[in-house]
Amino acid sequence: LAKTTQPVSMDSYEGQEVNITCSHNNIATNDYITWYQQFPSQGPRFIIQGYKTKVTNEVASLFIPADRKSSTLSLPRVSLSDTAVYYCLPEISGGYNKLIFGAGTRLAVHP
Amino acid sequence: GAVVSQHPSRVICKSGTSVKIECRSLDFQATTMFWYRQFPKQSLMLMATSNEGSKATYEQGVEKDKFLINHASLTLSTLTVTSAHPEDSSFYICSARDQGNSYGYTFGSGTRLTVV
Repeated sequence: LAKTTQPVSMDSYEGQEVNITCSHNNIATNDYITWYQQFPSQGPRFIIQGYKTKVTNEVASLFIPADRKSSTLSLPRVSLSDTAVYYCLPEISGGYNKLIFGAGTRLAVHP
Repeated sequence: GAVVSQHPSRVICKSGTSVKIECRSLDFQATTMFWYRQFPKQSLMLMATSNEGSKATYEQGVEKDKFLINHASLTLSTLTVTSAHPEDSSFYICSARDQGNSYGYTFGSGTRLTVV
């Protein structure tokens, strides 16, 4: 399983764009990169998934370069409610591979 | 979207007793579900893979006789913490994937277990 590395924590202010980068040097060819968000005392929630280049949905954008050794989650104009822990994980799309969570990035958004 | 319901959300039990946690996929069938444990300020740790109609697969270091998993139907998996002790106090979370939706896994809301 590909090991992922993320910053332990980040701070931002309301209205700013936040970019969280994840390194996954040994990602497998059939792995997608998926990002999850977790609030305290709740289960993680799916945010976005991508394989290569850029993916955008109503919540975030995901940038994955051609070598796929890293990915960047971009949260536009964050609000206080975006304060959470964010995890990136390699995942076989549509498969049943077990997800091994790393430490994640604890994002704190300040007024 | 896919919904996974976990019950109870919070339970307090006495040392030595057993506690059952239920995980249901509400609008899809799940042949495989996963159980995680999370301690305060830590990441999720995978405990076991629950397989419908067969034995669960436990991660290294997880006692299968202590954490009993039953996946008797395509929509229900249960985790029973037997002879609970204070060190078993944790946040337990289940997850499943809706095969009709290839994007990501759906997680339950978690169960906060406190053993006193």
